[in-house]
Formats: sequence, C-alpha cells, structure tokens
Amino acid sequence: QITLEASGPTLVKPTQTLTLTCSFSGFSLSASGVGVGWIRQPPGEALEWLAHIYWNNDKYYSSSLKSRHTISKDTSKNQVVLTMTNMDPVDTATYYCAHLSAAARYSFDYWGQGALVTVSS
Amino acid sequence: DIQMTQSPSSLSASVGDRVTITCRASQSININLNWYQQKPGKAPRLLIYGASNLQSGVPSRFSGSGSGTDFTLTISSLQPEDFATYYCQQSYHSLVYNFGQGTKLEIK
Repeated sequence: QITLEASGPTLVKPTQTLTLTCSFSGFSLSASGVGVGWIRQPPGEALEWLAHIYWNNDKYYSSSLKSRHTISKDTSKNQVVLTMTNMDPVDTATYYCAHLSAAARYSFDYWGQGALVTVSS
Repeated sequence: DIQMTQSPSSLSASVGDRVTITCRASQSININLNWYQQKPGKAPRLLIYGASNLQSGVPSRFSGSGSGTDFTLTISSLQPEDFATYYCQQSYHSLVYNFGQGTKLEIK
C-alpha cells in the first residue's frame, strides 16, 4: 500500500526559506520507473506542478518559480525534500507530494493529504 | 511550454446526465494525458492515465479518449459523488508536467 505524507511549517515569514518533507511508504525511490513530485494549490485556485525527481536522480522544475526551488531525495529514509527560497505571500498554498510511476505513464497516481503553508509576517 | 486548456471552466448538470469535459494541449502530447478528480478539502485522485486507461478502483462510468492535442473525459451517468473539480495534466514533457485550469462540475 503506497502512502505519502507532506510535512513542514504551517507558517513562514516573507523572504524565509521553506523546507517541506515528503515521507512515503510502500515503494522504493531506487526502483526503476518511480518518481515523486510536488504540486501546490493556492486557496480556491488550480493545481500547479512544481517539481519532480526520479529514481535515477533526474530532476525537473517548473520555470514559473524562477529557480527558487530545489528537490532532493534520501532513498534510505524514504523521503523527498522540497526547499523554496525567498517565500512570498503569493506562495501561500496547500503543498502536495505525489507518486509517479512508469506503469501509470508517469501520472501522479498516489497523493499525500497535503500541507497548508501560509506566508505572512 | 505546453499549455493545457480545459473547457468549460464550470458546468451544471443533473444526476444521471452524460457529461463531457475537454482538454486541449498547445502542441501534440501523444496520449500522455491524465485526468484527476478533486473534492473540496481533499487531495486530487487519479481517474484516467495515458488518455484512456482507467485507474484501478475508478468506476467504469468514467472514460477518457483522445490523442495528439485534443482529449475528453466523459462521465456516462452522473452520480451524486461525482460533483467535484476535474483537472487534466500532461506527462509528455518531463520538463513541464503542467495542469489545466480545472472544470468545476456543479449540481443543477
């Protein structure tokens, strides 16, 4: 059974760096064809893909965040970490992590429950 | 970047209706198109992957079709639990895995 859980601070101040951790179980991020992605959703708005990382450590980022974010994995801990620098109130959103697999044509087939992050002074 | 455009942005329908939502890509994405359902306060749920493959556990009233740039999600007979927001997403270019803007399906 695949599960994912996003965790991190609920409140960050403008200009601070956000670090979010996705802890998962039921799969290994060293297995071929597997990845983990981050997607966010501001209140009342649409989903926005942020980044994803594959089993082979290939990483892909949304250009809309202008290189403010970094994704990394710790296979031994079953974790993926997303960091975002220079946070702004417009970054207030629910942040989701999700599983990717070649078996589902690299769709996001399992999602965590999401972590709400508010950016405010 | 590949842009994903859904239509309509909102839709009112009744239980038992047949509903179709469309998604258009700004360039060909072959069949690398996925559909998600999201209910308020919940994480999205994968319905369809690879344009037409039904995810395990998803009711058969949901179906997807299309290839290239034009895709559709069809719900053959709306049930009360289907009122939600639906998103398409392309997974053709790893460089950009973007979503459509969503279609909110409401009860008429």
